[in-house]
Amino acid sequence: AQSVTQLGSHVSVSEGALVLLRCNYSSSVPPYLFWYVQYPNQGLQLLLKYTSAATLVKGINGFEAEFKKSETSFHLTKPSAHMSDAAEYFCAVRSSGTYKYIFGTGTRLKVLA
Amino acid sequence: EADIYQTPRYLVIGTGKKITLECSQTMGHDKMYWYQQDPGMELHLIHYSYGVNSTEKGDLSSESTVSRIRTEHFPLTLESARPSHTSQYLCASSDLNRNTGELFFGEGSRLTVL
Repeated sequence: AQSVTQLGSHVSVSEGALVLLRCNYSSSVPPYLFWYVQYPNQGLQLLLKYTSAATLVKGINGFEAEFKKSETSFHLTKPSAHMSDAAEYFCAVRSSGTYKYIFGTGTRLKVLA
Repeated sequence: EADIYQTPRYLVIGTGKKITLECSQTMGHDKMYWYQQDPGMELHLIHYSYGVNSTEKGDLSSESTVSRIRTEHFPLTLESARPSHTSQYLCASSDLNRNTGELFFGEGSRLTVL
C-alpha cells in the first residue's frame, strides 16, 4: 500500500534561511509526487509535481524538490524563506494506474522575523 | 488558475439539520473527490467519483453521501448533522488524461454543527 511520511509536523526557520521540508514515500511502482501549500481557511494549491521528466523539479514561489528514488524521498526546499511562506505544506503521492491520492500529515512552516 | 467552486464557504447549523455542500468545476474533469480535514490535520478521502453516475466511498468512513449526475457537479449531503461532523470539507478534481493529473482544490467549506 502507498504511504507518505512527512517528518516534522512543525518547522521554524528565520526569514532568509533555507527551508527544508521532508517527504518520504512508499510505493511499489514509480509514483507521481506532489507538494501542495495551504494557507489558513483556504484549499490546497499545487506548488510543484514530479512527472519523471527530471529529478529536480522547480515550482512556484521559488520552491523546488528533488526526487531521489534510492532514498524514496521528495524533499521540498527553498533557499531563502520569506514571511509569506508561512503555511501548511502537504506532500502527496499517486501511483501510476490508480486514481487515488495519498497525502502526508502536513508540515506547518513558521517563518521568524 | 483552478476553476472549482465550493459553497457555502462557512456554515453553522444546529444538530439534526440536513445540509448539502456544493462543489462545481468548469474544467471538464472526470475525477472528483471529497476530503475531510480537521483544523491543522491531514486530509482524509471520504468520497470519490470517476465520472457521471460513479461514486465510491473513500478511506475514511463518513455518514455523508454524494451524487454525480453531471460531470461538473459533485454535491455532498448530510441527512442529519451532528457535532462530530464539524470539520472542513475540501472538494477536488483531476484530469488523469493529462500527464500526472494533479488535483485542483476548491477553497473548502467549513462546517460547524452546534
